[in-house]
Amino acid sequence: AQKITQTQPGMFVQEKEAVTLDCTYDTSDQSYGLFWYKQPSSGEMIFLIYQGSYDEQNATEGRYSLNFQKARKSANLVISASQLGDSAMYFCAMSNTGTASKLTFGTGTRLQVTL
Amino acid sequence: DTEVTQTPKHLVMGMTNKKSLKCEQHMGHRAMYWYKQKAKKPPELMFVYSYEKLSINESVPSRFSPECPNSSLLNLHLHALQPEDSALYLCASSNPGLAGPGELFFGEGSRLTVL
Repeated sequence: AQKITQTQPGMFVQEKEAVTLDCTYDTSDQSYGLFWYKQPSSGEMIFLIYQGSYDEQNATEGRYSLNFQKARKSANLVISASQLGDSAMYFCAMSNTGTASKLTFGTGTRLQVTL
Repeated sequence: DTEVTQTPKHLVMGMTNKKSLKCEQHMGHRAMYWYKQKAKKPPELMFVYSYEKLSINESVPSRFSPECPNSSLLNLHLHALQPEDSALYLCASSNPGLAGPGELFFGEGSRLTVL
């Protein structure tokens, strides 16, 4: 069984600063995918970034980067130059392989960006 | 604007009512998903349709009945619900591959209240 753990229920960061949101995972699969989603108060889940288990380089998407440490089974999200609009709930998620596979979510971290 | 459209955005129903949630995507995705999200919790997978066939049912009670009329549409039929079924119901779609489900695109959700 897969498990995703996010140990930070809430985080504060000042505008323009960088912030790291932690995510660790547990799986017996050799091939898997790791995702980060942002959920504003409106409810929509917004895809941010993806890392495959065989990707050797850390994924980056604009201000988002994923710090992937396979041996430690961690996939932390780094947001650089935080903006007020980054205030939201952030979920780490993991998929197993196969065409009918599942996406399992962690419990989430609520990020608040302050002036 | 999200490319996955869910209707209605809000629904209030009694325990004896029959209603349906609808989801539509025009991205050519071949997998569609229903997730249930309670307040301050992560989304929980309910159903997965892959190539218009039900491939995953996460032991969801029979009062929830999914339907995939075609590759663009996904319905969730609701009957004899309980107040604890009140939640945000999220639809998602993706183009799955051998490496997993791929990036899931979510709709804004249908917020259901059962009285």
